[in-house]
Amino acid sequence: GAVVSQHPSRVICKSGTSVKIECRSLDFQATTMFWYRQFPKQSLMLMATSNEGSKATYEQGVEKDKFLINHASLTLSTLTVTSAHPEDSSFYICSARPGRRDEQYFGPGTRLTVT
Amino acid sequence: GENVEQHPSTLSVQEGDSAVIKCTYSDSASNYFPWYKQELGKGPQLIIDIRSNVGEKKDQRIAVTLNKTAKHFSLHITETQPEDSAVYFCAASGTGFKTIFGAGTRLFVKA
Repeated sequence: GAVVSQHPSRVICKSGTSVKIECRSLDFQATTMFWYRQFPKQSLMLMATSNEGSKATYEQGVEKDKFLINHASLTLSTLTVTSAHPEDSSFYICSARPGRRDEQYFGPGTRLTVT
Repeated sequence: GENVEQHPSTLSVQEGDSAVIKCTYSDSASNYFPWYKQELGKGPQLIIDIRSNVGEKKDQRIAVTLNKTAKHFSLHITETQPEDSAVYFCAASGTGFKTIFGAGTRLFVKA
């Protein structure tokens, strides 16, 4: 149980285009989902917290107009990187929290490369 | 806010030996302490967790201990195997505040 999927696993896009990443909880309902960014050999950096049916809460320094988050259902959250630039290239990972429990279950990550 | 420090940053052990990774946290309100294993190119996997009302928890070769007074918690892996090689992250969270992750420990298990 507690499986989280992400799609796509890898994406290459051109500078100036937008990319959408999907995060799904496959066997549980996730009231809260999180989006992280991870640079090579570094820890996880929380970008935003999204609760189903409400606006995402972004961490300081994360541009909400650039990283659009939608959490339209209890099993799906999406992250759209708008007008991507090479500096947005990174490993993006989502996680989901079942109901009111403490645990977070992570997706497999999406490697974004902006050329 | 909460701060989590993790040591060591790199740990190399011989297959069959034990490995210990230590973390400290700063906010006494933290009450949930998970440990994650991340293999190269993959997302973190929850391997064990402990809550503040428990001092120790074990799952096969993995155990976690918590000292609330000292604000320390540790991950113990016994009889290490090459497939244990990965990056391990500790974390701390509490009611109403976000999870804070340690910087990670890169574990190498030499066959």
